Amino acid sequence: GESVGLHLPTLSVQEGDNSIINCAYSNSASDYFIWYKQESGKGPQFIIDIRSNMDKRQGQRVTVLLNKTVKHLSLQIAATQPGDSAVYFCAGVIYNFNKFYFGSGTKLNVKP
Amino acid sequence: DAMVIQNPRYQVTQFGKPVTLSCSQTLNHNVMYWYQQKSSQAPKLLFHYYDKDFNNEADTPDNFQSRRPNTSFCFLDIRSPGLGDAAMYLCATSRGTAANTEAFFGQGTRLTVV
Repeated sequence: GESVGLHLPTLSVQEGDNSIINCAYSNSASDYFIWYKQESGKGPQFIIDIRSNMDKRQGQRVTVLLNKTVKHLSLQIAATQPGDSAVYFCAGVIYNFNKFYFGSGTKLNVKP
Repeated sequence: DAMVIQNPRYQVTQFGKPVTLSCSQTLNHNVMYWYQQKSSQAPKLLFHYYDKDFNNEADTPDNFQSRRPNTSFCFLDIRSPGLGDAAMYLCATSRGTAANTEAFFGQGTRLTVV
């Protein structure tokens, strides 16, 4: 099945700095990738997605980069705020099977 | 307005005593998923329904079953909970179309086994 994993388990940044969270995947059959944010005791919330035929997608304060050559995905958060503190997961999606496979997560700590 | 609702938020059950977790959705999505999430780990897909078609993951123990009586509701049954089944259980839905595959998650049910 799909295997999606992260490089860094914990990331601490200063408020106002930019954050970069990385994710590696092994199965190039994924059609779609999604970044989710999960706050303590809550379900994952959608942040941003990117289709496998794209290299970059920007949202509000967030940018996702996809490098299919090295099977690498990253989430960039600009001007990180205390409210961004959470665990971030990437997920690979395979259309035909309607499946979402999650990576191991990175905990982001934003220091005031 | 909650779109994927899980009840209860917290469930305590006894070792070996069957327990059912419920999920309902107001999105009219085709696909409903159940994930198990243990502390500091990623959600792990247990199974999903596309409409009434059940799709089990190969490594999901037989102890876990699911029912989807209609589009809106899906249940997770744990026939004989063990201590290792203590976790957060997440329900999610998606349209199941190539044009829109975002999964919407409920708040989860935290299961404690005593």
